[in-house]
Amino acid sequence: KQEVTQIPAALSVPEGENLVLNCSFTDSAIYNLQWFRQDPGKGLTSLLLIQSSQREQTSGRLNASLDKSSGRSTLYIAASQPGDSATYLCAVCYTGRRALTFGSGTRLQVQP
Amino acid sequence: DAGVTQSPTHLIKTRGQQVTLRCSPKSGHDTVSWYQQALGQGPQFIFQYYEEEERQRGNFPDRFSGHQFPNYSSELNVNALLLGDSALYLCASSLVGTGNEKLFFGSGTQLSVL
Repeated sequence: KQEVTQIPAALSVPEGENLVLNCSFTDSAIYNLQWFRQDPGKGLTSLLLIQSSQREQTSGRLNASLDKSSGRSTLYIAASQPGDSATYLCAVCYTGRRALTFGSGTRLQVQP
Repeated sequence: DAGVTQSPTHLIKTRGQQVTLRCSPKSGHDTVSWYQQALGQGPQFIFQYYEEEERQRGNFPDRFSGHQFPNYSSELNVNALLLGDSALYLCASSLVGTGNEKLFFGSGTQLSVL
């Protein structure tokens, strides 16, 4: 079964700290992987998309890496801010499928 | 440039009723996908529409049906509502064949079934 798991489920850090969110997937035959941000009761905002052939993507203070052989991706957030507080979701598009398979998310709280 | 728009934003129904949710894709996009997100969970794929046809379907019963119109907008219909259908319903659009297929999501419709 193609699954996506995110650890931890929740995380609370003080402002300014660098942090890493983890995502693991069960099948290495992926087309791409996306990280999303979701604010309470809202839709999803795409943060970074990594194609199967890529190892990492960067946008501002965010860096996402992909290791297909180990079935893992990480989202690194540098110098966290209270405005980064949200749920972060990892989603995998497996080869041959048109759907995204999502993890349950990591709920991040950055304390001022 | 308008993003993905969904209507209504909130909806309250009772068990056994039927509901229709609507979605307009981002300008220039031709593919619409629907997801169901239960509280505290990640979104679950319902189905995807392209060229007015259902391309792929997730593990949802036939009570869930959809439609795509020539202008690429889409509807999600749910019949015989159950309490368990209460969730945030998300629409996402993309442009097929780009080799990227980055998804853009709407803000969702919060459905409550009483």
